[in-house]
Amino acid sequence: DTAVSQTPKYLVTQMGNDKSIKCEQNLGHDTMYWYKQDSKKFLKIMFSYNNKELIINETVPNRFSPKSPDKAHLNLHINSLELGDSAVYFCASTLEGGENIQYFGAGTRLSVL
Amino acid sequence: GQQVMQIPQYQHVQEGEDFTTYCNSSTTLSNIQWYKQRPGGHPVFLIQLVKSGEVKKQKRLTFQFGEAKKNSSLHITATQTTDVGTYFCAGDSNYQLIWGAGTKLIIKP
Repeated sequence: DTAVSQTPKYLVTQMGNDKSIKCEQNLGHDTMYWYKQDSKKFLKIMFSYNNKELIINETVPNRFSPKSPDKAHLNLHINSLELGDSAVYFCASTLEGGENIQYFGAGTRLSVL
Repeated sequence: GQQVMQIPQYQHVQEGEDFTTYCNSSTTLSNIQWYKQRPGGHPVFLIQLVKSGEVKKQKRLTFQFGEAKKNSSLHITATQTTDVGTYFCAGDSNYQLIWGAGTKLIIKP
């Protein structure tokens, strides 16, 4: 059983398109995150979200929007994709009030052509 | 803003040599975590250090947290090919994780 699962694993698309990446966790965690990892391997938190609060990294363009239908899911929608959006996107989850240990999904490799 | 500096960016070692990566925070941390990311994989939690001056060991890996809770190190003794990957520290300050840039361990052929 995969604890944090993301789909798709790979996503190749044209500039200007809109795409979504899905994330689900079965750990019973209540806080979920989206990270972007660029080609230099820098891990950048984009969003953290629990059922009370969405925290947005102010450097993230508003073309990126997280959507959470319930606390086990946090999807990432990206509008008007740009070349610079090419990266690996990781979903992660933690238990609020716990040790803040991040459990990561396997990642989605996005290539914008 | 708060930063965690991690060095070196890369370290090339012969198999059997030791490896060390260092993290230094601009602010005092409540704890520090270490993660390993294998090539093509995702970051996986290794350990958390909480106490000032804490030292923890996992087989050939030794983790230290500084007395001032602002710096930390990971030392691998006698590296093996299975150690290849990028090691990240992440400092926890007010329940916000601040990530280091990672150190990539490369084993020379």
